[in-house]
Amino acid sequence: RKEVEQDPGPFNVPEGATVAFNCTYSNSASQSFFWYRQDCRKEPKLLMSVYSSGNEDGRFTAQLNRASQYISLLIRDSKLSDSATYLCVVNSGGGADGLTFGKGTHLIIQP
Amino acid sequence: GAVVSQHPSWVICKSGTSVKIECRSLDFQATTMFWYRQFPKQSLMLMATSNEGSKATYEQGVEKDKFLINHASLTLSTLTVTSAHPEDSSFYICSVQAAVPSSYNEQFFGPGTRLTVL
Repeated sequence: RKEVEQDPGPFNVPEGATVAFNCTYSNSASQSFFWYRQDCRKEPKLLMSVYSSGNEDGRFTAQLNRASQYISLLIRDSKLSDSATYLCVVNSGGGADGLTFGKGTHLIIQP
Repeated sequence: GAVVSQHPSWVICKSGTSVKIECRSLDFQATTMFWYRQFPKQSLMLMATSNEGSKATYEQGVEKDKFLINHASLTLSTLTVTSAHPEDSSFYICSVQAAVPSSYNEQFFGPGTRLTVL
């Protein structure tokens, strides 16, 4: 079983729509969770950290379900500029540990 | 977030040569940096953890004699791909952790180095 699993997509949605991504992780000891965004041939950029109580940043809402080992990202009122690959990322230990990345979900916002 | 630079941004080399990639933390001192590799349509994979003043920690399956890491200062880590071969062609990305220690340990990435070995 892969450590971090995501639906690769692509998700094709019209501008203004709401889109949701899901992710599951296998290591129950994981402590930190993130969504990163990666544009084509660029480095990943931190979109938001995911907190146990769920958190929101503008049009973006992230949720974490530790019991189910499940993370979600909701994008409301999608913009053309939201087109990118969204990476579900997990840090499985405390301190200075590397990150484990999902393969990413490709999102295409259509005008 | 942290500002991280990498040099070069891309490199093309002949098989058998060595290539050095630099990663710099521009706005704070990083005792720990990470090196990742990403093949086309694949996820980023952690290669090694670079520790200032000590030996790097390599992930399983990553040859330490092939991928030499030096972290001689708090702002610079280098990755040298020795005797590069076409299968080493990839996107190499470094990262640093957030300046303020927290339980979340956000990481910020350099712009990456695209290596093509002919």
